[in-house]
Amino acid sequence: ETGVTQSPTHLIKTRGQQVTLRCSSQSGHNTVSWYQQALGQGPQFIFQYYREEENGRGNFPPRFSGLQFPNYSSELNVNALELDDSALYLCASSKGGTDTQYFGPGTRLTVL
Amino acid sequence: EDQVTQSPEALRLQEGESSSLNCSYTVSGLRGLFWYRQDPGKGPEFLFTLYSAGEEKEKERLKATLTKKESFLHITAPKPEDSATYLCAVLLGNEKLTFGTGTRLTIIP
Repeated sequence: ETGVTQSPTHLIKTRGQQVTLRCSSQSGHNTVSWYQQALGQGPQFIFQYYREEENGRGNFPPRFSGLQFPNYSSELNVNALELDDSALYLCASSKGGTDTQYFGPGTRLTVL
Repeated sequence: EDQVTQSPEALRLQEGESSSLNCSYTVSGLRGLFWYRQDPGKGPEFLFTLYSAGEEKEKERLKATLTKKESFLHITAPKPEDSATYLCAVLLGNEKLTFGTGTRLTIIP
C-alpha cells in the first residue's frame, strides 16, 4: 500500500511569486486536507477536498487555492507569496468522515 | 472558540523514566481525538484515535486515554528513539483537525 506522497520536498521562492504544491493520496482514500505548519507550531488547517469539491476551509486568504483531481490527488496553489508563507506544507488523506488522516512528508517552502 | 492545549511544552526524561503528556480541549461537537508523533522536518505519524470518554488505546510503550475534557499520552520506560514532538488534534463537525502546539519529548540515554 502506497502512503501519501508530496512534491517537491523543498522549494525556494521570492516574495510576490506563485507556487504549486502537489499531493498524491493513499490508495483507497477520497479526501485530502492541506495544513500549514510554522516552525514550533502545530499544523493549521487550510482546506479540505472531498471528491473534487472543497469541503471546508480554515482562516486563510483566497490567494490560497486548491484542486482535487479524479484520481484524488491534489494541488495547493499560493499566489502573491509573502514572507510569512514560509512553512512546512502538509497534505493528509483519509476516507472522509471521522476516519484518521494520514500525512505525507511535507513540502518545505521558503519565501525570500 | 475551539481550543487545544498541550502540556508541558517540552519534557526531558532519562531512559526508562515513565511520564505522561497532557492534551486538554475546549470544543463543541468533538468527533474524535488523535495523537501523532512528528520527527523534525517530517510529516506527523499517526499513533492513536480515541472517540469517546473512557476509551484507551495502547501501542508498545505508549498508551492514550480520553476523558470529557482531556487526553493523556502515557509513556512507559521510554527509549531514546521515542524522542520526538507529540501532537494532539481534535476533529470537529466541519471535518477540520485542530492541533495543539505539541510536546517536545527528549529521552536521555
